[in-house]
Amino acid sequence: ETGVTQTPRHLVMGMTNKKSLKCEQHLGHNAMYWYKQSAKKPLELMFVYNFKEQTENNSVPSRFSPECPNSSHLFLHLHTLQPEDSALYLCASSPGAQRGSQETQYFGPGTRLLVL
Amino acid sequence: QKEVEQDPGPLSVPEGAIVSLNCTYSNSAFQYFMWYRQYSRKGPELLMYTYSSGNKEDGRFTAQVDKSSKYISLFIRDSQPSDSATYLCAMSAGSSYKLIFGSGTRLLVRP
Repeated sequence: ETGVTQTPRHLVMGMTNKKSLKCEQHLGHNAMYWYKQSAKKPLELMFVYNFKEQTENNSVPSRFSPECPNSSHLFLHLHTLQPEDSALYLCASSPGAQRGSQETQYFGPGTRLLVL
Repeated sequence: QKEVEQDPGPLSVPEGAIVSLNCTYSNSAFQYFMWYRQYSRKGPELLMYTYSSGNKEDGRFTAQVDKSSKYISLFIRDSQPSDSATYLCAMSAGSSYKLIFGSGTRLLVRP
């Protein structure tokens, strides 16, 4: 996938570790998203950035900290996670300019996170 | 009650069958309806996008929206083993960036 890339693809971390997930989009979009996907559950929206400004924080615990230094890059900083945070973390992007309609979101391949 | 309900499956069909995947929802404000396909170890990719009620066809895929019943469907004709994936419905009221997803239906097309 060259549109939206995510690194690393897999991550195992202990509860006391600090790690970061990286997302990069090559589509010229201005909105970027973090989602959590757990088995047999709907995708949960975590954060939204539009033109580098955070526009949505969906009651996410503070152990998840997003960062959006520019419209092409999005990070998710992780610290003192819990085993229940193990999931697939998906990044998505969209044009970010279409008001009044629902924009198509393009997803990356995800980072599979395991917290021990 | 969840905003969007989707049968998790798995749904197993023989190659060539017509597949019907469905979602129901509770929020009458939803106007935009999408179907995403997610292969194992991949992110979701958009298959179909419809606005309001009606049908939309794209090759072997047909998306149908019935707003009066709060029910959407995705039909796959002449199903192929390569269609084996998880299908996610998603919807929104528009004017926002918040998509509400179903939990996904896993489809297996047997050769």
